Amino acid sequence: DARVTQTPRDKVTEMGQEVTMRCQPILGHNTVFWYRQTMMQGLELLAYFRNRAPLDDSGMPKDRFSAEMPDATLATLKIQPSEPRDSAVYFCASAFTQGTTEAFFGQGTRLTVV
Amino acid sequence: AQSVSQHNHHVILSEAASLELGCNYSYGGTVNLFWYVQYPGQHLQLLLKYFSGDPLVKGIKGFEAEFIKSKFSFNLRKPSVQWSDTAEYFCAVLSGGSYIPTFGRGTSLIVHP
Repeated sequence: DARVTQTPRDKVTEMGQEVTMRCQPILGHNTVFWYRQTMMQGLELLAYFRNRAPLDDSGMPKDRFSAEMPDATLATLKIQPSEPRDSAVYFCASAFTQGTTEAFFGQGTRLTVV
Repeated sequence: AQSVSQHNHHVILSEAASLELGCNYSYGGTVNLFWYVQYPGQHLQLLLKYFSGDPLVKGIKGFEAEFIKSKFSFNLRKPSVQWSDTAEYFCAVLSGGSYIPTFGRGTSLIVHP
């Protein structure tokens, strides 16, 4: 059963600390999305990669957030320094955008910054 | 820019009641449409999708949705809900050759036993 894997599932950290979230997309998928989910804003797109190239990160605060895809099996989202307002659930999703184009979501990383 | 509206933010039903959740989008061209479900504490899972063909789409767990192009709508329906349908439901749209799905704000459904 192919699935998107995210680690860690839960992270509690102190304000100012660096946070790194990891995502393993479904093998063969060429597109990776990072979304943030909060009660106030719903699902927000933070970044988007296609064939490992970052194509859209306009939804991401550039001063503290960075997203990379060092290889086809790993995408990372980093926050440095973290702030309490970053507390949210961060979802990674992957898709194969030359066939059926629905996105498959990972279980999410619940981040709490205290 | 594409936008997706889900007008019902919170819906509360009793078991066996019928369900219809609204979804409207703004793009006038070719669209791919999706409904996702997020059970409490879980990730988003695909319920059903529309790419082309029959505008009435049947998904998992007895859900269906109807694409009405003239109304820019893709409403989700279920004739008889169960307590286990308690979840958040998201409508999403892919439009104009974009690879980025646009999501609605979601509708929280609570089904009382």
